[in-house]
Amino acid sequence: DAMVIQNPRYQVTQFGKPVTLSCSQTLNHNVMYWYQQKSSQAPKLLFHYYDKDFNNEADTPDNFQSRRPNTSFCFLDIRSPGLGDAAMYLCATSTRVYNEQFFGPGTRLTVL
Amino acid sequence: AQSVTQLDSQVPVFEEAPVELRCNYSSSVSVYLFWYVQYPNQGLQLLLKYLSGSTLVKGINGFEAEFNKSQTSFHLRKPSVHISDTAEYFCAVSDSGGYQKVTFGTGTKLQVIP
Repeated sequence: DAMVIQNPRYQVTQFGKPVTLSCSQTLNHNVMYWYQQKSSQAPKLLFHYYDKDFNNEADTPDNFQSRRPNTSFCFLDIRSPGLGDAAMYLCATSTRVYNEQFFGPGTRLTVL
Repeated sequence: AQSVTQLDSQVPVFEEAPVELRCNYSSSVSVYLFWYVQYPNQGLQLLLKYLSGSTLVKGINGFEAEFNKSQTSFHLRKPSVHISDTAEYFCAVSDSGGYQKVTFGTGTKLQVIP
């Protein structure tokens, strides 16, 4: 089945230690998103790729970076995680037109 | 820019009772509307969507929603809930026509009581 896959599902890192979360998709969608979701809150868009074009949200901290080496893969790099970065990170994809988003299962990040 | 309001942060309901989760949006243009469900420690899953056409939209798991343009609402309903419907539900909106960002509501936690 076509899907969005996120690895790992759970990630524990230490304060200040860089961490990379990965996302892959078999849907061949042009758009890929990274969201941060804290407990009992709506997903907060960090950035997205429209094909190869990178779009950063204005309030996304510089500590967060992203890479999309090809259509199928997208990575979220947190250069120096702080305690406030502990959250669920959701990857999603969509087609160009209708904006229905297909989400992966998420990676829960814990910062010690 | 559009916005979404989910007035109820939590909705408790007894099993086999009907439920309505409210969603209101604001936008100056035509919109697409979505309802997503999120189970604990999972990603979001699309329940249903309104793009155009019939204002009554049927989705998965027996849910349906009605688009009401005059009231700018897109309330989610189910005639009889099950324990397995316990989850968080997010309403979302995007402007129609081409690529547009999606705005999510703050979510409603549905607690089904046995």
